[in-house]
Amino acid sequence: EPEVTQTPSHQVTQMGQEVILRCVPISNHLYFYWYRQILGQKVEFLVSFYNNEISEKSEIFDDQFSVERPDGSNFTLKIRSTKLEDSAMYFCASSRQSGANVLTFGAGSRLTVL
Amino acid sequence: AQSVTQPDIHITVSEGASLELRCNYSYGATPYLFWYVQSPGQGLQLLLKYFSGDTLVQGIKGFEAEFKRSQSSFNLRKPSVHWSDAAEYFCVVLSGGSYIPTFGRGTSLIVHP
Repeated sequence: EPEVTQTPSHQVTQMGQEVILRCVPISNHLYFYWYRQILGQKVEFLVSFYNNEISEKSEIFDDQFSVERPDGSNFTLKIRSTKLEDSAMYFCASSRQSGANVLTFGAGSRLTVL
Repeated sequence: AQSVTQPDIHITVSEGASLELRCNYSYGATPYLFWYVQSPGQGLQLLLKYFSGDTLVQGIKGFEAEFKRSQSSFNLRKPSVHWSDAAEYFCVVLSGGSYIPTFGRGTSLIVHP
């Protein structure tokens, strides 16, 4: 069964450092998403991406965040200058279409900012 | 704005007992509804979904859920829980106005032998 792959599974970084989280969506999917889950809190939507541009983003997704699909297979989330409060599990998801469709999630990347 | 409520943060059941995890949503139109499960170290796996039609939907691993419009609920059930069902369960809602799924806070299921 096709799956969404995320790397790294866990990253520890110092505050102020840049972090890039990588995702390989399912190959025939067209819509891509990032969510995050701070420990003990809800899974929150960050951003959705379609046709090489952001289609929707939440208030959380400020100028510190960016997304990119650099090579047609990877989908990356960059945090330019990490803060302590960026520590969370970050989930990538993809879907074949928008609307009434199922998102397939990756296993997540745990980011710890010290 | 759409919202999803899972009132139980933790639920503890004995193996073999029945299970019901509650989920309520709020917003006007009939939403698209999902239950996902997250086992330790795993991603979010789809258990079942409701888009339309029969309000009782069957999913994987013996789970089912019933959409009740009058109660704005989509509770997840399983008649006999197995130890391997211990995990975090998320109710997810997707409205017609926004195609961005909204997660409930999750319910952690603990299974006693």
